[in-house]
Amino acid sequence: DQQVKQNSPSLSVQEGRISILNCDYTNSMFDYFLWYKKYPAEGPTFLISISSIKDKNEDGRFTVFLNKSAKHLSLHIVPSQPGDSAVYFCAGRTSGTYKYIFGTGTRLKVLA
Amino acid sequence: DVKVTQSSRYLVKRTGEKVFLECVQDMDHENMFWYRQDPGLGLRLIYFSYDVKMKEKGDIPEGYSVSREKKERFSLILESASTNQTSMYLCAASGANTEAFFGQGTRLTVV
Repeated sequence: DQQVKQNSPSLSVQEGRISILNCDYTNSMFDYFLWYKKYPAEGPTFLISISSIKDKNEDGRFTVFLNKSAKHLSLHIVPSQPGDSAVYFCAGRTSGTYKYIFGTGTRLKVLA
Repeated sequence: DVKVTQSSRYLVKRTGEKVFLECVQDMDHENMFWYRQDPGLGLRLIYFSYDVKMKEKGDIPEGYSVSREKKERFSLILESASTNQTSMYLCAASGANTEAFFGQGTRLTVV
C-alpha cells in the first residue's frame, strides 16, 4: 500500500519557467511533509518542509503548497534552473513516530 | 549540519554471503533509518530505530536485520544476500523536530 504517491515519473521544463511537482498521500496521520532532491550516486538532500497546520511555505525559489482536504501537496520551483535537474521525492512523517515515508520520485529535467 | 556517513560507497558481494552495512551519525539524533532506492519504487523504509537497542520494521524488512548498540551507529545486516537485494541503500538520521539527514548511499551489487 503506497501511502505517498508521485504519479508523474518525469517532467521536463524550460529554463526560467515554473516547475510544479505533485504528491498525493493517503495517511491522514501525517503531520509533517518534506521535499528532497537527489542527484545520481548521492544521498537525498532536504529542500523544504511544511507542517500540516499550514497550507504554504516558501524558501527562495521553492514553495510548497498543502491541501489537506485533497491530501495533496505540490512543490513549485520558480524560476527553474538547469542545476535543478534531479529526482525529487516527497515524504510524509507520521505523528508521534518520526517515521518518514517517501514517494516514488519525479525526475525533473530543466532544459537550457 | 548533521553528518551521516556510510562505510562504503560501492560493494559487491556473492549470493549467500552475510553483509554488513554500517552507518554513523555525529549529531546525537535519536532516530535512524535504513531505506533502499530502486527505479520506479522510490525510497522504501527497511527498518527504523528510535533509540539504542530499539527498532521497528519498515515496509520491506524481509531478509534484513538491524543493530543499534550505540546511539551514533546503526547497522543493516543482510543475513544471506540474494540478487534481489541489489540496490542503493541509504541511511538517515533525524532528531525529534528535524528533517531526516541522509548519508551518501551504498550501491550494493549481489552476484
